[in-house]
Amino acid sequence: EVQLVESGGGLVQPGGSLRLSCAASGFTFSSYSMNWVRQAPGKGLEWLSYISGSGSTIYYADSVKGRITISRDNAKNSLYLQMNSLRADDTAVYYCARDPYDSTGYRYFQHWGQGTLVTVSS
Amino acid sequence: DIVMTQSPDSLTVSLGERATINCKSSQSILYTSNNKNYLGWYQQKPGQPPKLLIYWASTRESGVPDRFSGSGSGTDFTLTISSLQAEDVAVYYCQQYYSTPYTFGQGTNLEIK
Repeated sequence: EVQLVESGGGLVQPGGSLRLSCAASGFTFSSYSMNWVRQAPGKGLEWLSYISGSGSTIYYADSVKGRITISRDNAKNSLYLQMNSLRADDTAVYYCARDPYDSTGYRYFQHWGQGTLVTVSS
Repeated sequence: DIVMTQSPDSLTVSLGERATINCKSSQSILYTSNNKNYLGWYQQKPGQPPKLLIYWASTRESGVPDRFSGSGSGTDFTLTISSLQAEDVAVYYCQQYYSTPYTFGQGTNLEIK
């Protein structure tokens, strides 16, 4: 069974940093591309970033480019999101989501974690 | 960026009746080389992550009840629930994966009348 478990969320002050993790199990992690998607309280879904199975291809949404870094450690079956210069409008539940394949075009989100809440407030 | 616009924002339907949610993209998301529409539909219940229902605009994900169906091509798409069940109360999102940034519609809140 595919499992994705996010961690690392919490309360952070504006301007601060946070590193989110997503522990994957139940599949060969390196064979799948991964994404981060967030959802502000009571709002819709916003895709943030994509990373290929090998980590060689990365994309970011313009809204967060320069402030976030996606990475993965295939030996540890883990996905990461480093977030810097956090602002109040970064407050959201952050989900990791797995693509169905590590292949161009297959960029719908087949499996999701339960999410981790990041609150940016002083 | 491709803007995805759903209608209506909210929908109230009686049990057993048909529910229809529309999604329009600001540009075509049909890839002519493979004739595939890069459009997915998700269901999100309160306190839960989204769940994939439909991909390639009309392919039902494994385990999804056949009362859910997707249709459309190019820029106009529809999610239909043929006979609404109580457990279908949720927010539904469309998403394009034709190009980055991968964008979602604003969501449609489906309730029981």
